[in-house]
Amino acid sequence: GQNIDQPTEMTATEGAIVQINCTYQTSGFNGLFWYQQHAGEAPTFLSYNVLDGLEEKGRFSSFLSRSKGYSYLLLKELQMKDSASYLCAVKDSNYQLIWGAGTKLIIKP
Amino acid sequence: DAGITQSPRHKVTETGTPVTLRCHQTENHRYMYWYRQDPGHGLRLIHYSYGVKDTDKGEVSDGYSVSRSKTEDFLLTLESATSSQTSVYFCAISEEEGVGSYEQYFGPGTRLTVT
Repeated sequence: GQNIDQPTEMTATEGAIVQINCTYQTSGFNGLFWYQQHAGEAPTFLSYNVLDGLEEKGRFSSFLSRSKGYSYLLLKELQMKDSASYLCAVKDSNYQLIWGAGTKLIIKP
Repeated sequence: DAGITQSPRHKVTETGTPVTLRCHQTENHRYMYWYRQDPGHGLRLIHYSYGVKDTDKGEVSDGYSVSRSKTEDFLLTLESATSSQTSVYFCAISEEEGVGSYEQYFGPGTRLTVT
């Protein structure tokens, strides 16, 4: 079967750095996406990785290791508005997105 | 922001009644998707469309049907609603599929409660 694993919840302090991990086992791999979802809102795209390595986009970076079936999202200089759920999704061999259940990130002052 | 709207945004209905949710896009994107989101689960694909009148089943299609008669509209119908279909339903669109960063853009969601 196909499986995406993420921690259910994480807590971090404003101004700090947090790393959200995602491991996957899927039928094929055509890229990995990270989305942000604020409570009661729609998911919005953050990043896409298809090759191994780190992609940096402002305060957010995403890393991929295809051999390990592993990715992480790194958030720096945390702000209160970063309190949200972060969703990991893998595009499988049929080009469908398989989604993790999401990681709820709580930012404390 | 991608132009995607969903209607209604909230609905309460009774078990056994049919329900239709509408997704409308102004982006002229080829692909449209219906997902449901439930606590403890990732987004789960119900049905998707790759063109007018071209649709296919997703992971959790039982009890749902779809239609796409125009590029901009994708309808999801619950033929006879059950309490297990209480959920938040998201529509998404994508310009293309395949290898590449063809991200999906999501509508605001419809919260459906079946009593």
